[in-house]
Amino acid sequence: DQQVKQNSPSLSVQEGRISILNCDYTNSMFDYFLWYKKYPAEGPTFLISISSIKDKNEDGRFTVFLNKSAKHLSLHIVPSQPGDSAVYFCAASLRGGAQKLVFGQGTRLTINP
Amino acid sequence: GAGVSQSPSNKVTEKGKDVELRCDPISGHTALYWYRQRLGQGLEFLIYFQGNSAPDKSGLPSDRFSAERTGESVSTLTIQRTQQEDSAVYLCASSLGPVAGELFFGEGSRLTVL
Repeated sequence: DQQVKQNSPSLSVQEGRISILNCDYTNSMFDYFLWYKKYPAEGPTFLISISSIKDKNEDGRFTVFLNKSAKHLSLHIVPSQPGDSAVYFCAASLRGGAQKLVFGQGTRLTINP
Repeated sequence: GAGVSQSPSNKVTEKGKDVELRCDPISGHTALYWYRQRLGQGLEFLIYFQGNSAPDKSGLPSDRFSAERTGESVSTLTIQRTQQEDSAVYLCASSLGPVAGELFFGEGSRLTVL
């Protein structure tokens, strides 16, 4: 039962262009969503989050969009830089209930010079 | 250091042996999580500790897996009678409080069961 799904295992984008990573979830009770970035041989690091009361959150080059009716969120990176090459995980949780984060399978982003 | 520390970083063991993985969370973080990542897969929740509350063990895959945490400090994840399918990177994370938010992950312990 995969409650959080990232259907694209990989994505390749040219440097300077926009990267869009997508994530779908099935549990309508999720009310907090996060994106993590992972480099090889390192633990994931927090990137950006969004509460279900918002539909957009922006932090520098990174913007997360949430479409609750579609149970879909996306991460936009613009402009993309070579250092953005990593695996990106989306995660979801229930603030008021269980606290564990449920992660997607990850999308490997490669930024080409 | 200031981050989450895990040991060992790499462990190779024979099928049937027991292994113990250790996690030192960030000082002051009351919540501690264990996840595992099999090759090419996402992060799979195993167990969650919050203060002195009973841990959420709902993600432990079998009774061969157990974890302990002493107060708000070190945690150990024990896998008994290891199987080849236990091969994975085991990631520990901690966070400030009970509300899930930003987790700080360690670098993981890579377990290989031959």
